Amino acid sequence: DAGVIQSPRHEVTEMGQEVTLRCKPISGHDYLFWYRQTMMRGLELLIYFNNNVPIDDSGMPEDRFSAKMPNASFSTLKIQPSEPRDSAVYFCASSLNFDSPLHFGNGTRLTVT
Amino acid sequence: QKEVEQNSGPLSVPEGAIASLNCTYSDRGSQSFFWYRQYSGKSPELIMSIYSNGDKEDGRFTAQLNKASQYVSLLIRDSQPSDSATYLCAVRRAGGSTLGRLYFGRGTQLTVWP
Repeated sequence: DAGVIQSPRHEVTEMGQEVTLRCKPISGHDYLFWYRQTMMRGLELLIYFNNNVPIDDSGMPEDRFSAKMPNASFSTLKIQPSEPRDSAVYFCASSLNFDSPLHFGNGTRLTVT
Repeated sequence: QKEVEQNSGPLSVPEGAIASLNCTYSDRGSQSFFWYRQYSGKSPELIMSIYSNGDKEDGRFTAQLNKASQYVSLLIRDSQPSDSATYLCAVRRAGGSTLGRLYFGRGTQLTVWP
């Protein structure tokens, strides 16, 4: 099993630019999560999907953030325009069902200058 | 009140000792509980899942769940320097409109010194 695959691993961009993070969940997993991790705030849930449908996006910081899951094998998290305070590690995770553990990707380290 | 709270640490124990990590949660209806380990610069990795009251053992790790007290703990026996990491408690919601949502604690940083 390839595990959860995220790309890119590192992203450095300038303030105001659009950033797109990508995730391929484990095949057969029904749930997909996007988390953001910083030293100050720990792991924050941004949004999660069940069978490609967004269930809870209350953690999305503001309208600059959007996430899509067009099919069962792909999701994107987009930030437009990016700001320095968006700098963090963004994790994608998937799980088989509603009570099974999450499996995390390697994360994308985003730096906005 | 936060959904999941962990003893803030950091926790420092000598090699060979027992490390005890604690976690409380607020949603009484929670059914799934997990401990993750996260090394610096890495992603969280699952080390234990527990769903029923009582103890669950896996090698040097024992997870304990007490739903009446809304309490989960992780014991690491014979601690090794390689166990030095941040340990995250996670609780998964079992019902309602946000079924399946997973809440993480802030983590406890463990250092095992030789």
